[in-house]
Amino acid sequence: QSALTQPRSVSGSPGQSVTISCTGTSSDVGGYNYVSWYQQHPGKAPKLLIYVVNKRPSGVPDRFSGSKSGNTASLTISGLQADDEADYYCCSYAGSYTFVVFGGGTKLTVL
Amino acid sequence: QVHLVESGGGLVNPGGSLTLSCAASGLSLSDYYMTWIRQAPGKGLEWLSYISTSGSTKIYADSVKGRLTVSRDNARNSVYLEINSLRAEDTAVYYCAVSYSSGWFDPWGQGTLVTVSS
Repeated sequence: QSALTQPRSVSGSPGQSVTISCTGTSSDVGGYNYVSWYQQHPGKAPKLLIYVVNKRPSGVPDRFSGSKSGNTASLTISGLQADDEADYYCCSYAGSYTFVVFGGGTKLTVL
Repeated sequence: QVHLVESGGGLVNPGGSLTLSCAASGLSLSDYYMTWIRQAPGKGLEWLSYISTSGSTKIYADSVKGRLTVSRDNARNSVYLEINSLRAEDTAVYYCAVSYSSGWFDPWGQGTLVTVSS
């Protein structure tokens, strides 16, 4: 069982928006503004989408946005495209001993 | 362009050992903390270990502590992960990644598959 809870799957039609939640505790998501999100296409390595809750690395479209409220972080993908169909993982800093915890992953299906 | 390339995976007998390598091009690994993360078939991501720039600080996940040793050779621009007493549940793709102090990782290598089976 993963430390952070994500929905197993979400879906949306092209052009729509979807939001993926990531729920932790005050020891991880709620305690630090250090949530990151990763996109993983089948057979590929994960790719950083969002870091420190809502920052995008260079090259990541602004269709991807992150937020946090209390112990829950969220990734919103707007203007869904076919290539957005992938697995998405959240990750949170959890202190110097544990370092990080991951969510179990969410499969996004573009209908 | 920055590339991380893992190698050293393969089929190993239970109880055996393996050393994975991660070589970088396009960046100097000596400037970065490095992390190892694995993904069992069909499963999620599991953080395993990180090592500081000098190698003086090494942190391991409780689930693997005592069986993993992370090291680095900055002159070779490489990082290593030794795994001992391999078990079937260690079967996974192992990724190396540049690690930032606030717990995010970028970029990642393409991964190397370790299969533990007799």
